[in-house]
Amino acid sequence: DAGVIQSPRHEVTEMGQEVTLRCKPISGHNSLFWYRQTMMRGLELLIYFNNNVPIDDSGMPEDRFSAKMPNASFSTLKIQPSEPRDSAVYFCASSLAISPGGLAKNIQYFGAGTRLSVL
Amino acid sequence: QQPVQSPQAVILREGEDAVINCSSSKALYSVHWYRQKHGEAPVFLMILLKGGEQKGHEKISASFNEKKQQSSLYLTASQLSYSGTYFCGTFPNAGGTSYGKLTFGQGTILTVHP
Repeated sequence: DAGVIQSPRHEVTEMGQEVTLRCKPISGHNSLFWYRQTMMRGLELLIYFNNNVPIDDSGMPEDRFSAKMPNASFSTLKIQPSEPRDSAVYFCASSLAISPGGLAKNIQYFGAGTRLSVL
Repeated sequence: QQPVQSPQAVILREGEDAVINCSSSKALYSVHWYRQKHGEAPVFLMILLKGGEQKGHEKISASFNEKKQQSSLYLTASQLSYSGTYFCGTFPNAGGTSYGKLTFGQGTILTVHP
């Protein structure tokens, strides 16, 4: 299995530009999570999907951030317009979420991340 | 609600032991431990599903006290390769669908020196 694949690995852009981060989850997984990591704020959950449906986007910092999951094998996180304070490492993770009552392991597998620098 | 990890940072010499704690104010169904090496993604280490159960990974083991709502990670005879940030992730008590969302602690930075 190739694992969770994120692209690009590095992105350098200028303030005001649109940025699109991409994620391919592990085949068969039904939950997908977008995280942002910075030194100051640690690992923050931005949004997560289950069966391609957004469940909770309360972690999305502003309307400038949006995420989609058009099918089970692809998700995007878009920032428009980007600002210097958006500079961070963005991780995508996927898991096979099983409802409590069963053997709920819900192990999350992380992609390698996208390091975003907004100048 | 975010679980609280302690200590925030640990510095060891090779061969020394360390304990990292993870406490929650809410009842827990399971606790997950992840390790993130510098410049890399977090990687799953182990999961604790039952109260008092211990799991092991290399010379790293963990316990889960369901009654106290806390878990501890034990690193014995530490190696240089153990350096990194350790995160606990908690999963709420069974009772509804939670879609696999883990709530991660703030992380504990472990540094092992030769």
